Amino acid sequence: SQQGEEDPQALSIQEGENATMNCSYKTSINNLQWYRQNSGRGLVHLILIRSNEREKHSGRLRVTLDTSKKSSSLLITASRAADTASYFCATDEVSNYQLIWGAGTKLIIKP
Amino acid sequence: NAGVTQTPKFQVLKTGQSMTLQCAQDMNHEYMSWYRQDPGMGLRLIHYSVGAGITDQGEVPNGYNVSRSTTEDFPLRLLSAAPSQTSVYFCASSYGSWDSPLHFGNGTRLTVT
Repeated sequence: SQQGEEDPQALSIQEGENATMNCSYKTSINNLQWYRQNSGRGLVHLILIRSNEREKHSGRLRVTLDTSKKSSSLLITASRAADTASYFCATDEVSNYQLIWGAGTKLIIKP
Repeated sequence: NAGVTQTPKFQVLKTGQSMTLQCAQDMNHEYMSWYRQDPGMGLRLIHYSVGAGITDQGEVPNGYNVSRSTTEDFPLRLLSAAPSQTSVYFCASSYGSWDSPLHFGNGTRLTVT
């Protein structure tokens, strides 16, 4: 079953612009995580935000969580070519302690 | 620091063959898991383990077996390969379980003909 759904499926922006991608989920969660996957590589953890947190920052990354809307957003500021990757959200449901993954947003940063 | 190591990187099997995908981690993580990644879909959990000697099924366990005899190793066995098992397989580990960041290997790309 697919809990998280990322939006958009693909995003292409100019280097230096900000990139925003969204994740929606269906049931109550404990945590939501964001991961990055470069082509042909494993996923790399970016940020974990707990259900009682509303916003979290890490360098150029800003994650928000709105539990009333069951959605999260990942903002990458001042994008760089190296940010070209697919980004995935993963949630763990309160009643079922398994991570459920979205299909990802493919981000392309144009030089 | 190697992290999570998966072997092989690529594998081609014929239908009906069996094989083992290897996964090892050197971070002393209790939790390990196997996922498959198919185009246009999120990762799907195959099997997981919360410690040596303990394994459990995930969302898509059919056709796969696992064992966890040591903290470091978590091999995934394909019993009788089918074309539907063509996928990219990722092993991951974490300090805790669902509320800890996962560390991923670089994947095994498996093709079953």
